[in-house]
Amino acid sequence: AQSVTQLDSQVPVFEEAPVELRCNYSSSVSVYLFWYVQYPNQGLQLLLKYLSGSTLVESINGFEAEFNKSQTSFHLRKPSVHISDTAEYFCAVGGTFGNEKLTFGTGTRLTIIP
Amino acid sequence: GAVVSQHPSRVICKSGTSVKIECRSLDFQATTMFWYRQFPKKSLMLMATSNEGSKATYEQGVEKDKFLINHASLTLSTLTVTSAHPEDSSFYICSARDQGRSYEQYFGPGTRLTVT
Repeated sequence: AQSVTQLDSQVPVFEEAPVELRCNYSSSVSVYLFWYVQYPNQGLQLLLKYLSGSTLVESINGFEAEFNKSQTSFHLRKPSVHISDTAEYFCAVGGTFGNEKLTFGTGTRLTIIP
Repeated sequence: GAVVSQHPSRVICKSGTSVKIECRSLDFQATTMFWYRQFPKKSLMLMATSNEGSKATYEQGVEKDKFLINHASLTLSTLTVTSAHPEDSSFYICSARDQGRSYEQYFGPGTRLTVT
């Protein structure tokens, strides 16, 4: 069984400040890890993913996440946030067998303060 | 690439009627599609896994006779909410797994269902 914990339900951050959204997971098998972003009244968009290789993965809009196997974490970071980053962020874990479903965390609402 | 569409985006129906939601993979083949339900300010709850050409696999607690799923082709899955009640009002999101890249799911934009 797998589970994902996002401890912070809401994170307010001033514009241009750095942010970290925390994600911890538990799994008895090897995993793939994902961060999705959801804007109001929209579906989910893949932000970034860890499949294998380098533990630091980056997105095209400045976010990055680092897979830490010993701490079972996949925290999301951005050095300087923008108003447009206001959204709900979901961490998800999937098994590496390829046909397994995703397990989502409860989400973190990131609010950027002008 | 990897676009998933849902139709309709919003639907309002009367209690007791049935509503069909379509999920299409536009530029790839999806042997597996997933249906999720999202409550306000909550995470996604997986309802069922839809496999092309076979019966859907429902998660515990989801009524298969109420939420009918059909995956008749590699690009289309449908969710029918039968005899809808106000408590079925929710945001329904589908995702599709690319046949060639089985580890990744692509999500549709969601369907807002309101039952009056």
